[in-house]
Amino acid sequence: TQLLEQSPQFLSIQEGENLTVYCNSSSVFSSLQWYRQEPGEGPVLLVTVVTGGEVKKLKRLTFQFGDARKDSSLHITAAQPGDTGLYLCAGYPSGTYKYIFGTGTRLKVLA
Amino acid sequence: DAGITQSPRHKVTETGTPVTLRCHQTENHRYMYWYRQDPGHGLRLIHYSYGVKDTDKGEVSDGYSVSRSKTEDFLLTLESATSSQTSVYFCAIREDIQGTEAFFGQGTRLTVV
Repeated sequence: TQLLEQSPQFLSIQEGENLTVYCNSSSVFSSLQWYRQEPGEGPVLLVTVVTGGEVKKLKRLTFQFGDARKDSSLHITAAQPGDTGLYLCAGYPSGTYKYIFGTGTRLKVLA
Repeated sequence: DAGITQSPRHKVTETGTPVTLRCHQTENHRYMYWYRQDPGHGLRLIHYSYGVKDTDKGEVSDGYSVSRSKTEDFLLTLESATSSQTSVYFCAIREDIQGTEAFFGQGTRLTVV
Protein backbone atom coordinates (compact mmCIF):
# COMPACT_ATOMS: atom_id res chain seq x y z
CA THR A 1 0.00 0.00 0.00
CA GLN A 2 1.45 3.32 -1.10
CA LEU A 3 0.60 5.90 1.54
CA LEU A 4 1.78 8.90 -0.47
CA GLU A 5 0.35 9.25 -3.96
CA GLN A 6 1.77 11.83 -6.33
CA SER A 7 0.18 13.20 -9.46
CA PRO A 8 0.84 13.49 -12.25
CA GLN A 9 3.30 10.64 -12.66
CA PHE A 10 4.89 12.18 -15.75
CA LEU A 11 4.89 15.74 -17.02
CA SER A 12 6.48 17.13 -20.16
CA ILE A 13 6.12 20.87 -20.67
CA GLN A 14 7.67 23.74 -22.59
CA GLU A 15 10.04 26.21 -21.00
CA GLY A 16 8.14 29.08 -19.42
CA GLU A 17 5.00 27.13 -18.53
CA ASN A 18 3.68 26.74 -15.01
CA LEU A 19 2.94 23.41 -13.34
CA THR A 20 1.69 21.90 -10.11
CA VAL A 21 2.56 18.56 -8.58
CA TYR A 22 0.36 17.03 -5.91
CA CYS A 23 1.16 14.73 -3.01
CA ASN A 24 -1.84 13.14 -1.30
CA SER A 25 -2.44 10.74 1.55
CA SER A 26 -5.22 9.51 3.77
CA SER A 27 -2.80 9.65 6.72
CA VAL A 28 -1.73 12.65 8.77
CA PHE A 29 1.93 13.61 8.56
CA SER A 30 3.86 15.56 11.18
CA SER A 31 5.86 17.14 8.37
CA LEU A 32 6.51 16.61 4.71
CA GLN A 33 9.69 17.03 2.72
CA TRP A 34 10.08 17.59 -1.00
CA TYR A 35 13.14 16.26 -2.81
CA ARG A 36 14.49 16.38 -6.32
CA GLN A 37 16.50 13.52 -7.70
CA GLU A 38 18.85 13.53 -10.67
CA PRO A 39 19.72 10.32 -12.57
CA GLY A 40 22.31 8.21 -10.76
CA GLU A 41 22.15 10.23 -7.56
CA GLY A 42 20.27 10.19 -4.28
CA PRO A 43 17.43 12.63 -3.62
CA VAL A 44 18.32 16.14 -2.48
CA LEU A 45 16.09 18.11 -0.13
CA LEU A 46 14.21 21.12 -1.50
CA VAL A 47 12.02 22.08 1.45
CA THR A 48 10.33 20.92 4.66
CA VAL A 49 6.79 21.95 5.56
CA VAL A 50 5.62 21.44 9.11
CA THR A 51 2.53 23.50 9.93
CA GLY A 52 -0.88 22.86 8.38
CA GLY A 53 -1.59 25.55 5.78
CA GLU A 54 2.06 26.55 5.58
CA VAL A 55 3.35 28.04 2.32
CA LYS A 56 7.05 28.19 1.53
CA LYS A 57 8.72 29.74 -1.47
CA LEU A 58 12.06 28.82 -2.95
CA LYS A 59 12.70 31.12 -5.91
CA ARG A 60 10.22 29.93 -8.57
CA LEU A 61 9.03 26.99 -6.47
CA THR A 62 6.08 27.32 -4.08
CA PHE A 63 5.27 24.56 -1.60
CA GLN A 64 2.05 24.25 0.36
CA PHE A 65 1.07 21.92 3.20
CA GLY A 66 -2.63 21.12 3.49
CA ASP A 67 -4.57 22.37 6.48
CA ALA A 68 -5.17 18.81 7.69
CA ARG A 69 -1.52 17.84 7.02
CA LYS A 70 -2.58 15.04 4.69
CA ASP A 71 -1.51 16.61 1.41
CA SER A 72 0.96 18.98 -0.16
CA SER A 73 1.61 20.64 -3.47
CA LEU A 74 4.59 21.97 -5.40
CA HIS A 75 4.02 24.74 -7.90
CA ILE A 76 6.73 25.78 -10.35
CA THR A 77 6.39 29.12 -12.11
CA ALA A 78 8.02 29.66 -15.51
CA ALA A 79 9.68 26.25 -15.65
CA GLN A 80 13.20 26.00 -17.00
CA PRO A 81 15.12 23.04 -18.45
CA GLY A 82 17.17 22.98 -15.25
CA ASP A 83 14.00 21.99 -13.36
CA THR A 84 13.99 18.64 -15.14
CA GLY A 85 14.16 15.74 -12.71
CA LEU A 86 12.24 13.39 -10.45
CA TYR A 87 10.29 15.15 -7.71
CA LEU A 88 9.47 13.23 -4.57
CA CYS A 89 7.48 14.04 -1.48
CA ALA A 90 8.31 12.20 1.74
CA GLY A 91 7.36 12.06 5.37
CA TYR A 92 6.55 9.84 8.26
CA PRO A 93 2.95 9.07 9.18
CA SER A 94 2.17 10.22 12.69
CA GLY A 95 2.83 7.54 15.27
CA THR A 96 5.40 5.58 13.24
CA TYR A 97 9.15 5.64 12.61
CA LYS A 98 8.73 4.83 8.94
CA TYR A 99 9.99 7.45 6.51
CA ILE A 100 8.16 6.92 3.27
CA PHE A 101 8.31 8.45 -0.17
CA GLY A 102 5.67 9.33 -2.68
CA THR A 103 5.32 7.59 -6.01
CA GLY A 104 7.27 10.36 -7.73
CA THR A 105 6.66 12.85 -10.53
CA ARG A 106 9.04 12.85 -13.44
CA LEU A 107 9.25 16.33 -14.95
CA LYS A 108 10.81 17.18 -18.29
CA VAL A 109 11.07 20.80 -19.34
CA LEU A 110 11.77 21.31 -23.02
CA ALA A 111 13.75 24.32 -24.25
CA ASP B 1 27.97 16.38 2.84
CA ALA B 2 26.60 13.90 5.38
CA GLY B 3 28.99 11.04 6.10
CA ILE B 4 27.16 8.10 4.65
CA THR B 5 28.67 5.49 2.37
CA GLN B 6 27.28 2.39 0.75
CA SER B 7 29.22 -0.65 -0.34
CA PRO B 8 29.49 -2.12 -2.82
CA ARG B 9 28.46 0.48 -5.39
CA HIS B 10 27.82 -2.14 -8.06
CA LYS B 11 27.26 -5.85 -7.84
CA VAL B 12 26.24 -8.63 -10.19
CA THR B 13 25.17 -11.86 -8.56
CA GLU B 14 23.49 -15.11 -9.50
CA THR B 15 19.97 -16.13 -8.63
CA GLY B 16 19.81 -18.02 -5.36
CA THR B 17 22.94 -16.56 -3.78
CA PRO B 18 22.90 -14.48 -0.60
CA VAL B 19 23.97 -10.85 -0.91
CA THR B 20 24.76 -8.29 1.79
CA LEU B 21 24.82 -4.55 1.24
CA ARG B 22 26.43 -2.27 3.78
CA CYS B 23 25.50 1.23 4.85
CA HIS B 24 27.99 3.08 7.04
CA GLN B 25 27.45 6.50 8.65
CA THR B 26 29.72 8.79 10.62
CA GLU B 27 26.96 11.18 11.77
CA ASN B 28 25.72 9.21 14.79
CA HIS B 29 22.14 9.54 13.49
CA ARG B 30 19.55 7.36 15.17
CA TYR B 31 17.39 6.46 12.17
CA MET B 32 18.57 4.45 9.18
CA TYR B 33 16.59 3.23 6.20
CA TRP B 34 16.96 0.95 3.21
CA TYR B 35 15.00 1.68 0.03
CA ARG B 36 14.87 0.23 -3.42
CA GLN B 37 14.22 2.27 -6.53
CA ASP B 38 13.13 0.78 -9.80
CA PRO B 39 13.20 2.64 -13.13
CA GLY B 40 10.88 5.60 -13.19
CA HIS B 41 9.63 5.06 -9.67
CA GLY B 42 9.97 6.61 -6.28
CA LEU B 43 11.70 4.97 -3.36
CA ARG B 44 10.05 2.04 -1.61
CA LEU B 45 10.93 1.32 1.99
CA ILE B 46 12.38 -2.14 2.64
CA HIS B 47 13.43 -2.00 6.31
CA TYR B 48 14.33 0.67 8.79
CA SER B 49 16.05 1.04 12.12
CA TYR B 50 15.27 3.37 15.00
CA GLY B 51 18.23 2.35 17.14
CA VAL B 52 20.85 -0.33 17.69
CA LYS B 53 19.17 -3.72 17.34
CA ASP B 54 15.81 -1.98 16.77
CA THR B 55 14.54 -2.66 13.28
CA ASP B 56 11.21 -3.06 11.57
CA LYS B 57 9.74 -3.93 8.20
CA GLY B 58 8.80 -1.48 5.50
CA GLU B 59 6.48 -1.85 2.54
CA VAL B 60 8.54 -4.35 0.52
CA SER B 61 10.41 -6.43 3.09
CA ASP B 62 9.79 -9.93 1.71
CA GLY B 63 13.09 -11.62 0.80
CA TYR B 64 15.17 -9.11 2.76
CA SER B 65 16.57 -9.01 6.27
CA VAL B 66 18.56 -6.36 8.13
CA SER B 67 20.83 -6.03 11.10
CA ARG B 68 22.14 -3.11 13.10
CA SER B 69 24.63 -4.18 15.75
CA LYS B 70 26.14 -0.70 16.14
CA THR B 71 24.98 2.83 15.43
CA GLU B 72 27.11 3.37 12.36
CA ASP B 73 26.32 0.25 10.35
CA PHE B 74 23.06 -0.99 8.83
CA LEU B 75 23.28 -4.16 6.77
CA LEU B 76 20.74 -5.32 4.21
CA THR B 77 20.78 -9.01 3.26
CA LEU B 78 19.04 -10.64 0.35
CA GLU B 79 18.68 -14.14 1.67
CA SER B 80 18.40 -15.80 -1.74
CA ALA B 81 18.61 -13.29 -4.55
CA THR B 82 15.96 -13.31 -7.29
CA SER B 83 15.79 -11.42 -10.57
CA SER B 84 12.94 -9.30 -9.16
CA GLN B 85 15.43 -7.88 -6.67
CA THR B 86 17.48 -6.30 -9.44
CA SER B 87 17.28 -2.64 -8.48
CA VAL B 88 19.12 0.37 -7.16
CA TYR B 89 19.30 0.33 -3.38
CA PHE B 90 19.61 3.51 -1.33
CA CYS B 91 20.46 3.86 2.31
CA ALA B 92 19.35 6.96 4.18
CA ILE B 93 19.91 8.42 7.63
CA ARG B 94 17.94 10.91 9.69
CA GLU B 95 18.92 12.62 12.89
CA ASP B 96 15.55 12.63 14.57
CA ILE B 97 11.89 12.14 13.85
CA GLN B 98 10.81 15.77 13.70
CA GLY B 99 11.05 17.52 10.37
CA THR B 100 14.64 16.78 9.55
CA GLU B 101 15.77 15.80 6.11
CA ALA B 102 17.10 12.41 5.12
CA PHE B 103 20.62 12.13 3.78
CA PHE B 104 21.34 9.48 1.19
CA GLY B 105 24.18 7.26 0.21
CA GLN B 106 25.32 7.08 -3.38
CA GLY B 107 23.25 4.00 -4.09
CA THR B 108 24.11 0.40 -4.92
CA ARG B 109 23.19 -0.97 -8.31
CA LEU B 110 22.44 -4.67 -7.90
CA THR B 111 21.87 -6.98 -10.84
CA VAL B 112 20.65 -10.53 -10.26
CA VAL B 113 21.21 -12.80 -13.26
